[in-house]
Amino acid sequence: GEDVEQSLFLSVREGDSSVINCTYTDSSSTYLYWYKQEPGAGLQLLTYIFSNMDMKQDQRLTVLLNKKDKHLSLRIADTQTGDSAIYFCADREEYGNKLVFGAGTILRVKS
Amino acid sequence: DVKVTQSSRYLVKRTGEKVFLECVQDMDHENMFWYRQDPGLGLRLIYFSYDVKMKEKGDIPEGYSVSREKKERFSLILESASTNQTSMYLCASSFENTEAFFGQGTRLTVV
Repeated sequence: GEDVEQSLFLSVREGDSSVINCTYTDSSSTYLYWYKQEPGAGLQLLTYIFSNMDMKQDQRLTVLLNKKDKHLSLRIADTQTGDSAIYFCADREEYGNKLVFGAGTILRVKS
Repeated sequence: DVKVTQSSRYLVKRTGEKVFLECVQDMDHENMFWYRQDPGLGLRLIYFSYDVKMKEKGDIPEGYSVSREKKERFSLILESASTNQTSMYLCASSFENTEAFFGQGTRLTVV
């Protein structure tokens, strides 16, 4: 089946950029998503990218997609303490309704 | 705004009890999902439903069943709760081929 992998932990200083990486195996992915989960809360959609795009920018967030290497990244510029959360990468299969999630990357921002 | 509401934030149940987790969405979404979230494992799909009375098994359906009698409501049932079902349960809904919206989660402890 499809697989989505992420590193489990990232620690950065406030004001630095954070880069969270994700790899996936499904070559027929249509959309790839980044979700954020704050402590005690459900998942909140941060951004997404369509599979025929290389990059998407949304304020402090930049998503890069390398479809050949099946690699997705989320860059957060000027990281703030409020960005501390778990970030999930998710992949939507081409002909289904299911999202396949990675294990989540814990982002810790040190002030 | 899309709203996905799970009936309980926290539940404590005894081993062997029958447990119902309820989820309601107000956006007329066709698709509804139940995931469980465990540290280091990310989100794993238990069951999903793409229409009323329709359901499909996800990756870890054993020990669970679901019910979708109305479009807006999707119930997860633990027929006989066991301690290894202690987890965070997340409900989500979506239209066809769009992002999923999540509820706030139910933290279930089975003692």
